Amino acid sequence: DAGVTQSPTHLIKTRGQQVTLRCSPISGHKSVSWYQQVLGQGPQFIFQYYEKEERGRGNFPDRFSARQFPNYSSELNVNALLLGDSALYLCASSLARGRGNYGYTFGSGTRLTVV
Amino acid sequence: AQRVTQPEKLLSVFKGAPVELKCNYSYSGSPELFWYVQYSRQRLQLLLRHISRESIKGFTADLNKGETSFHLKKPFAQEEDSAMYYCALDYGQNFVFGPGTRLSVLP
Repeated sequence: DAGVTQSPTHLIKTRGQQVTLRCSPISGHKSVSWYQQVLGQGPQFIFQYYEKEERGRGNFPDRFSARQFPNYSSELNVNALLLGDSALYLCASSLARGRGNYGYTFGSGTRLTVV
Repeated sequence: AQRVTQPEKLLSVFKGAPVELKCNYSYSGSPELFWYVQYSRQRLQLLLRHISRESIKGFTADLNKGETSFHLKKPFAQEEDSAMYYCALDYGQNFVFGPGTRLSVLP
């Protein structure tokens, strides 16, 4: 098993552009979560998806959206990029959602730079 | 609001010394708490979960509901323990990370 895979690994975008980040969970994992990690800070929760439905949302603007596909892979979309969106975006998968889960397995992340 | 605090940004100890990384949380319900570790140039990985009461790499953590704490401890630090440590709280709809503590184990 390759673990949680994210693509691309690095990305440079211009302010105002849109970006799509992709995540493939560990085989058998049905829950996918997205996090934003700004340099020097802990990861900040953006979304959680389970069985293709949004199950949790962090304190991020509507410019951020996500979806989960039937094969449980996921995409994170960010519109109208701002300089402040520059960060490492982490995807994590888990066997279950919510109470009693086994913790999350993280991908290596996508480093987004907005110029 | 649910929150996780880790008061120390950096903790330096000598090899063989005891280590305690502090974590406090605010949550009115029954918490599920985790410690994650990130070694240099590696991805974030789960270290331990409070519900399993396990010991991983010599680390243990006990949930103290009275003090709302989940401190990470190890009796004898090793140089390979040097890493970034994050405490995290899962309350079902959200997963909150603390700001992290960088542990540096000196030879």
